[in-house]
Amino acid sequence: DIQMTQSPSSLSASVGDRVTITCRASQSISRYLNWYQQKPGKAPNLLIYATSNLQNGVTPRFSGSGYGTDFTLTINNVQPEDFATYFCQQGDSSPRTFGQGTKLEIK
Amino acid sequence: EVHLVESGGGLVQPGGSLRLSCAASGFTFGRYEMNWVRQAPGKGLEWVSYISDSGNLKKYADSVKGRLTISRDNANNSLYLQMDNLRAEDTAVYYCARDKADLASRAYDYWGQGTLVTVSS
Repeated sequence: DIQMTQSPSSLSASVGDRVTITCRASQSISRYLNWYQQKPGKAPNLLIYATSNLQNGVTPRFSGSGYGTDFTLTINNVQPEDFATYFCQQGDSSPRTFGQGTKLEIK
Repeated sequence: EVHLVESGGGLVQPGGSLRLSCAASGFTFGRYEMNWVRQAPGKGLEWVSYISDSGNLKKYADSVKGRLTISRDNANNSLYLQMDNLRAEDTAVYYCARDKADLASRAYDYWGQGTLVTVSS
């Protein structure tokens, strides 16, 4: 199975900051990398698919980049509603695996 | 509007069985591949099972193979997960999740609200 490793596991930010979350795959996954946001007690919500494509209705403050094994999720001008946990997920091969999550907290 | 609503979770003893259901609405259910994804309390996300749009192809995580069975009823817009021989480590919130109809992504674009399964004596 492909292992997905996110860093950091948690980070603190202030409203208005720019934050970056990294996801590394244990082998190349081309561009088959997706990002989800999850708030406490809620289901995950797809933010970005295929590395850099914004899902319908998602604010363009979110962006993604990368290829192969190294990927990033960037949040510009962090807003109060962005404080949540973020998961990456690879779609290159079955089983589709997730990173362990990155919790974004208010500083 | 797309809606996925899970039901059937609850408390069950080790070795017991449960059947989860996911009622779909707001889209042509029979045209989409579907999945179950679970999340143990305070933990990350784990894909559990996949079923093709027709129901002919099914896949399972190694951790549940032989104990959990996915199925669907396209006429009634429903997805199911039959859970047998349950173990404590199966305790989790179970989500049904739709495959995004985009082969370039292989992402889950809609999720239900989840149903909690607790395996404990």
